[in-house]
Amino acid sequence: GAGVSQSPSNKVTEKGKDVELRCDPISGHTALYWYRQSLGQGLEFLIYFQGNSAPDKSGLPSDRFSAERTGGSVSTLTIQRTQQEDSAVYLCASSFPGLASPETQYFGPGTRLLVL
Amino acid sequence: QQQVKQSPQSLIVQKGGISIINCAYENTAFDYFPWYQQFPGKGPALLIAIRPDVSEKKEGRFTISFNKSAKQFSLHIMDSQPGDSATYFCAASKRREYGNKLVFGAGTILRVKS
Repeated sequence: GAGVSQSPSNKVTEKGKDVELRCDPISGHTALYWYRQSLGQGLEFLIYFQGNSAPDKSGLPSDRFSAERTGGSVSTLTIQRTQQEDSAVYLCASSFPGLASPETQYFGPGTRLLVL
Repeated sequence: QQQVKQSPQSLIVQKGGISIINCAYENTAFDYFPWYQQFPGKGPALLIAIRPDVSEKKEGRFTISFNKSAKQFSLHIMDSQPGDSATYFCAASKRREYGNKLVFGAGTILRVKS
């Protein structure tokens, strides 16, 4: 079946511009996560959505970052007024918190963002 | 605050050898410890995971060893193959906490020489 998809795969932008990154989770997965992977670093949690519950935004690094999830499916991560330190790979993951393997998060290929 | 420390940063192993990657955590509330494998240009994929009620879990050539008192866990790759060359991340989470968000180590780049 189809996995998690993300678009665009690569994005180059100029400092100060806004960018939108898209994530399509696995069909039926109610949980969706965004992580950021900087060069040579591990993944850093950004935000979590679960069904209709309020999102956990505790990992967003600044108010320039926001995300929404429409209809419990597609999610968009928006970075306003991009800075060079925002350059990273942005990864989306989804999971189905059921009885079987509630913890397994399935990751997309990521969007590589470069801010010039 | 780095809650999961991973070592080494990189590792070179001969084909057929054993690859060992170590992680240490600080938060005793963590109760789920997965290992992810990532190939260049791809997202991480779950390799194997363990919960703290067992000390070891084996799946094929991959084994997790868990030491709760030392707050450490490790990944052992037996009979390492060139196809195992990838970046490996350990992680931890608190399953009962809303969100099950993963805290990752910094990663280990493994190269298996043929």
